[in-house]
Order: sequence, then C-alpha cells, then structure tokens
Amino acid sequence: DAKTTQPPSMDCAEGRAANLPCNHSTISGNEYVYWYRQIHSQGPQYIIHGLKNNETNEMASLIITEDRKSSTLILPHATLRDTAVYYCIVSGQGFGGTSYGKLTFGQGTILTVHP
Amino acid sequence: ETGVTQTPRHLVMGMTNKKSLKCEQHLGHNAMYWYKQSAKKPLELMFVYSLEERVENNSVPSRFSPECPNSSHLFLHLHTLQPEDSALYLCASSQGLGRGRSGANVLTFGAGSRLTVL
Repeated sequence: DAKTTQPPSMDCAEGRAANLPCNHSTISGNEYVYWYRQIHSQGPQYIIHGLKNNETNEMASLIITEDRKSSTLILPHATLRDTAVYYCIVSGQGFGGTSYGKLTFGQGTILTVHP
Repeated sequence: ETGVTQTPRHLVMGMTNKKSLKCEQHLGHNAMYWYKQSAKKPLELMFVYSLEERVENNSVPSRFSPECPNSSHLFLHLHTLQPEDSALYLCASSQGLGRGRSGANVLTFGAGSRLTVL
C-alpha cells in the first residue's frame, strides 16, 4: 500500500473550516484514499473515502487532486468534538491475496479545535 | 446492540493468566479484524478473519491466537503475555469482497479493550 504523509498537528478555530492535507505520491491506480479519525482512547471512526472523484458526505468533503498524489479532507464547520487524530490511508489491495482490508495506519494529524 | 461491541473494555492480567477478548458485530459483515495500538504507536494489524479464510500476520507471537466461530463473533485468546503486550486491542469488521476482487473496504471499529499485563 502507498505511504502517506500528513502534518503531525494542526489547529482550527471552532466554526471555521478545517482543511487536513495528505500526500500520497506513490498511489497506484486501483488504490482508494480513506480517512478515519480517532478520539482519545476510542476506536477509529470512518469518515470518507474516494478513488478519483471528489466526495462529500454528512461529515466531510474529500478533495483528490487530478494526479491523485495528494488529497485534502475538509470539515466545513469544525466543532470542539472534532478534536481528534485524523488518519489518511491509501489502500486497494487485500491482505494475503484476498480483497479484505489491510488498512495501514500512520501517525496521523492531531487536529485541535479551539473555542 | 448495533455496530461492533468489544468486551471487556478493560482487563488486567498477570503474565501467567489465560484470558480472552471478545468481539461481536451486528452489521452483517463477513470479515473481522484485530488491531493492536500500543502507547504512542500507530495501529498495527494483527489478524484478518472471515468465513472463507483466516489470514495471519506472521509477526504476531503465538501467545495471541484468534478464533472466529461464525461471521458475527471474533475472539482473541491470550496466554503467557508480557508487560509489553499492554495496549488497546481493537476489533473491526467489514464487508469483504472476496478473493480476486478489488474495491473499497470500509472498516467499522469497536471501542477497544484496554489490556494491562502486570
């Protein structure tokens, strides 16, 4: 799976948009970009995923560049409850020859939302 | 109950004990996973399990052994653990696509079992 690079930490004011970048320059054509977040000591929570096109759901928007080498997760109106570690993961192949997931987590970005 | 449920949420055990972590998913998924999260380290995949195939990560010590009696339940049996095995153990499930197929694979995680080995 392609390696991702994220800034270790970011700050955001409550009510403003949080834009979290991710570089994945070695991504291959069949690999998806996934975003998860983990609030302290809880299990990771799925946010959004995409392949080539930009995606939006009730939680966030995902913008993928045309060359697919980077992406940005956008939380349109950050709240204090959005303070968490955000993980950008690129994966398309299964584990052990199957198509079941092998999501490789890095260190992620610690997003702190301030009042 | 909805989602992925893990029990116990907290477990303290000695190095000579035998204990088990339990995971149950109510999502109708056919793949289940164990991840380990040690302090200040990224999540590490330990095992992937499905009705069709069990996949083991070769770097997992034999003192950890998974069991998947059906598609809804997953266990992690623990014996003769070491203090460095203290960690948050996370279970997840997904709807696998099966061998030879590719596509998105969204995992749903449980809240985790916090294990302390004395």
